[in-house]
Amino acid sequence: DVKVTQSSRYLVKRTGEKVFLECVQDMDHENMFWYRQDPGLGLRLIYFSYDVKMKEKGDIPEGYSVSREKKERFSLILESASTNQTSMYLCASSFSRGGTDTQYFGPGTRLTVL
Amino acid sequence: TQLLEQSPQFLSIQEGENLTVYCNSSSVFSSLQWYRQEPGEGPVLLVTVVTGGEVKKLKRLTFQFGDARKDSSLHITAAQPGDTGLYLCAGDPYNQGGKLIFGQGTELSVKP
Repeated sequence: DVKVTQSSRYLVKRTGEKVFLECVQDMDHENMFWYRQDPGLGLRLIYFSYDVKMKEKGDIPEGYSVSREKKERFSLILESASTNQTSMYLCASSFSRGGTDTQYFGPGTRLTVL
Repeated sequence: TQLLEQSPQFLSIQEGENLTVYCNSSSVFSSLQWYRQEPGEGPVLLVTVVTGGEVKKLKRLTFQFGDARKDSSLHITAAQPGDTGLYLCAGDPYNQGGKLIFGQGTELSVKP
């Protein structure tokens, strides 16, 4: 079974702090994604990566950056956290760039920025 | 920007009732997926529909992809409390390299 793990389930940070969210997948998937989930807005794509050191902006990249140094690991970085970045963050991976591929999700990190 | 509009956003029903969730867009998608998310977990894929007009059944759940590939529906027959969760549709736009567009989600609560 595919497993996608996220470094923390809950995180509380202060405004202005630098925040790292880590995601690891164990199935050699090419694609990895970071989403944020807010009530009534569904999942919104922040960044995705289809290969090591490759990244593409999603729909809401402002205030975020990402890093993919190894195939299995995709990190989301909030350079200077703000209260409007309080949200649920979901990481996902998929096998290839085919659109019918299943996206496998981690359990999510609920981030609160005070 | 391609959008997927899901309706209703919230649904609270009694066990045994039937329900339908809709996912609509003005854009054409090459395929459409339905995911279910339980509290504290990430979404899990239920089904992928690829062909216009396609109907897929998963026990009491029936999924349909519109003929024009712009819309989809999920019908649940005789809902059970175990069906409670957030249902998300996700469309694959053409030539977007595996990126999906998600609807806002439908929060379903089935009461015993």
